Amino acid sequence: GQQLNQSPQSMFIQEGEDVSMNCTSSSIFNTWLWYKQDPGEGPVLLIALYKAGELTSNGRLTAQFGITRKDSFLNISASIPSDVGIYFCAGLNAGNNRKLIWGLGTSLAVNP
Amino acid sequence: KAGVTQTPRYLIKTRGQQVTLSCSPISGHRSVSWYQQTPGQGLQFLFEYFSETQRNKGNFPGRFSGRQFSNSRSEMNVSTLELGDSALYLCASSLAARTLQETQYFGPGTRLLVL
Repeated sequence: GQQLNQSPQSMFIQEGEDVSMNCTSSSIFNTWLWYKQDPGEGPVLLIALYKAGELTSNGRLTAQFGITRKDSFLNISASIPSDVGIYFCAGLNAGNNRKLIWGLGTSLAVNP
Repeated sequence: KAGVTQTPRYLIKTRGQQVTLSCSPISGHRSVSWYQQTPGQGLQFLFEYFSETQRNKGNFPGRFSGRQFSNSRSEMNVSTLELGDSALYLCASSLAARTLQETQYFGPGTRLLVL
C-alpha cells in the first residue's frame, strides 16, 4: 500500500541532544499526525496538525505542517531516556478517501 | 474516559486455523479501523467500520474480514491462517465527524503468532 517517506529510519543519540525527523510525500495532505509507539503497545498520538504552515508544540516536542502540504517535521528537544520508541508520521489525504497513510517509523534510542 | 481496549492481548495459533480479535472503541467513537503491523511493513490498513458498515478497505485478501456491532464494538476475523499473518493487530477508534480533521486513538494491540 501507499506509504510516506519517513527519515531517518533509526537514530541513536545521547541524552540531552535534540532530535529531528521528517516525512515527505508526493501527495497533498490535509492533516499530519505524529505518533509514538512503545514496545508491545499501540501508537499514542503526540501532535496533530491541520493547517499548512502550522507549528505546534507538546512539551519538548514540536511539529510543523509543511507549507507545500507534502511534508511534516517533528523535533524533540533535550532528549531523555523515556523518549525511546518508534515515532510514526501519518497523513490524511485530501479528497473523499479517509485513509491514513503511514510512514515506516523512526526508531529512536537514547543513551543515558 | 477509558481508552481503546483489545482482546486478547496475545494469541498463538497454527496454520489453517481461524482467529477472531475484538476491539472496544472509546465511548462515543463510531469509527473503528484495523491495522496489521509487522517490522518490515509498518502499519498496513486493513479496513474501517462506521455504523456497522465497512467504509474503507485496504489491500488484504478475503481471508481478512471484520464487522461492527451496534454499540460500535468491532471484531476482526482471519481464516485459514498463514505463517505470514503473524503480526501485531491494532485497532483504532475515532469520532468520525464529517470533516477529515480527526485523529485515531489506538488500542494496545493483539500479538498473533502463527506456528
